Amino acid sequence: QVQLVQSGAEVKKPGASVKISCKASGYTFTRNYIHWVRQAPGQGLEWMGKIDPSGGGTTYAQKIQGRLTMTRDMSTSTVYMELSSLRSEDTAVYYCARVWSSFGVSLQYDYWGQGTLVTVSS
Amino acid sequence: DIQLTQSPSSLSASVGDSITISCRASQSISSYLNWYQQKPGKAPKLLIYAASSLQSGVPSRFSGSGSGTDFTLTISSLQPEDFSTYYCQQSYSTSFTFGQGTRLEIK
Repeated sequence: QVQLVQSGAEVKKPGASVKISCKASGYTFTRNYIHWVRQAPGQGLEWMGKIDPSGGGTTYAQKIQGRLTMTRDMSTSTVYMELSSLRSEDTAVYYCARVWSSFGVSLQYDYWGQGTLVTVSS
Repeated sequence: DIQLTQSPSSLSASVGDSITISCRASQSISSYLNWYQQKPGKAPKLLIYAASSLQSGVPSRFSGSGSGTDFTLTISSLQPEDFSTYYCQQSYSTSFTFGQGTRLEIK
């Protein structure tokens, strides 16, 4: 069965970086884009960016572009999300999600990781 | 970026009621609109994709409609497990965006 398993919670100081992993299993890793979405405490969902596991191409949200890097390791079917220059407002639960294309047209998230809480505090 | 505006932001209803949540896009997104349900402490769950297609395993009391800029999620005959938060999402543009969410509470 398809699974996305994320790394554990992190506590970081302002200005530091955090790197979260998302390990995929149960399907062909290179066939589906992986997106990252975050959710600040009590807030809504914010799209962060995406990576094509096949070619490694990425697209990031303009708001955090410059601080965000997504990479993948094809040997372990793992996607990584690194956010640098952390601020208190980066405190959130971070999710990876698999994109499924239906009818070869529509795009939606059919599987999600369990979420990783990142706390930024001095 | 394409903005999505959900209404209402919160809603109170009773078990057995039918409710509708609206999602309006800042520009036409054809039918590239999805709906998710999120329960506290859990990842969102896909309910409806491509505006009106029911995801496998989702009860038929959930339905979606719309195209262009105006979309709706309808839940008929509310069940206790439906009281949750709902988000719309557009996948028309390169940068996906979400609505701000609608919290459905028990009256």
